[in-house]
Amino acid sequence: GENVEQHPSTLSVQEGDSAVIKCTYSDSASNYFPWYKQELGKRPQLIIDIRSNVGEKKDQRIAVTLNKTAKHFSLHITETQPEDSAVYFCAATSNAGKSTFGDGTTLTVKP
Amino acid sequence: EAGVAQSPRYKIIEKRQSVAFWCNPISGHATLYWYQQILGQGPKLLIQFQNNGVVDDSQLPKDRFSAERLKGVDSTLKIQPAKLEDSAVYLCASSLIVAIASPLHFGNGTRLTVT
Repeated sequence: GENVEQHPSTLSVQEGDSAVIKCTYSDSASNYFPWYKQELGKRPQLIIDIRSNVGEKKDQRIAVTLNKTAKHFSLHITETQPEDSAVYFCAATSNAGKSTFGDGTTLTVKP
Repeated sequence: EAGVAQSPRYKIIEKRQSVAFWCNPISGHATLYWYQQILGQGPKLLIQFQNNGVVDDSQLPKDRFSAERLKGVDSTLKIQPAKLEDSAVYLCASSLIVAIASPLHFGNGTRLTVT
């Protein structure tokens, strides 16, 4: 089955700096890669996603890149703000809709 | 649109007891998922339904866990008997598009504590 590894497990940055979270996956059949943000005690919520036919996607301060050959994808957050502090999960999804999640990255943005 | 509804929000039981969780997906969402999220880990898929049929239950511990989705809408996940290691948040999610993978919409989850 699919295996997703996510790094780092914790990340601390100063407000205004950039943050990068990286994930690798094992199953070349995975073709959809969403990122979810989970604040303490709340539900995971989609923040950005990318499909396998696209190499990069950007939405304001958030961007995702995908390297299909190397089977890795990354989340980039620029100009970080304290409200970006949360746990971020990557996932690799098959066409059948099965999502395998990484173990999460706890991002702390210090004011 | 109304989100994914789950109940109860919290549940505390003793080991060997049984427990049931309920989920109502977003209206029109054909696919429903149950995930188990242990503290400090990512969600792990237990079972995936499409309408009222099971698509994937390969990671469901079938000796103690069962799930059903009658009439292709609401779903119930049951654990009987519960073990200490079942302590986790149980997340229900639904998605709209069937033909291609699409974002998951999660409920607020049920936090289960087994003592």
